[in-house]
Amino acid sequence: GAGVSQSPSNKVTEKGKDVELRCDPISGHTALYWYRQSLGQGLEFLIYFQGNSAPDKSGLPSDRFSAERTGGSVSTLTIQRTQQEDSAVYLCASSLNRGLDTGELFFGEGSRLTVL
Amino acid sequence: DQQVKQNSPSLSVQEGRISILNCDYTNSMFDYFLWYKKYPAEGPTFLISISSIKDKNEDGRFTVFLNKSAKHLSLHIVPSQPGDSAVYFCAASDPSYDKVIFGPGTSLSVIP
Repeated sequence: GAGVSQSPSNKVTEKGKDVELRCDPISGHTALYWYRQSLGQGLEFLIYFQGNSAPDKSGLPSDRFSAERTGGSVSTLTIQRTQQEDSAVYLCASSLNRGLDTGELFFGEGSRLTVL
Repeated sequence: DQQVKQNSPSLSVQEGRISILNCDYTNSMFDYFLWYKKYPAEGPTFLISISSIKDKNEDGRFTVFLNKSAKHLSLHIVPSQPGDSAVYFCAASDPSYDKVIFGPGTSLSVIP
């Protein structure tokens, strides 16, 4: 489809294992965001990529979290040595430029991570 | 320190009546405000937005009002329909920082 695609949709892992979550943004969208939503919480900003600029990593909760975006398109969010508090839905969004001229971020359906 | 607040975690409204969802913010530098709607197991979808230079924006059944002096905005849905039942997120952007900040959301239930 033409929307933002995320995989896997569901991931169950054991505490201490590493996980990778993937995001395929809409073609041509230069901006890409990662958010997460823990149970009963709002959308927590994690990281933002804009074109070839250095990403804004100010929202990453610890150094166990990292993300990269290859070729200005696909992004991978990696969580090392997962902890139970990492359990959440991880949402990716993309937009043209900053998306603010149209006010619209296009979200994927999210990757639900459960750490046992 | 939450910069975007939605103090009502949930709201129930009768079908056909008006739904009013409120949002408060603390950062006077925010220049753009947005509302997103989220159904279970789906990503949020954009609903309506407003620039800080305006005080009202209307799109069909949805109207957003902005009161800059009070740092408050609200989303009005009228008439409310059962399909409007979802979580509504208020979001804001500061031009100094390239990120959109979301509130915690309000779960709206429209009762048939």
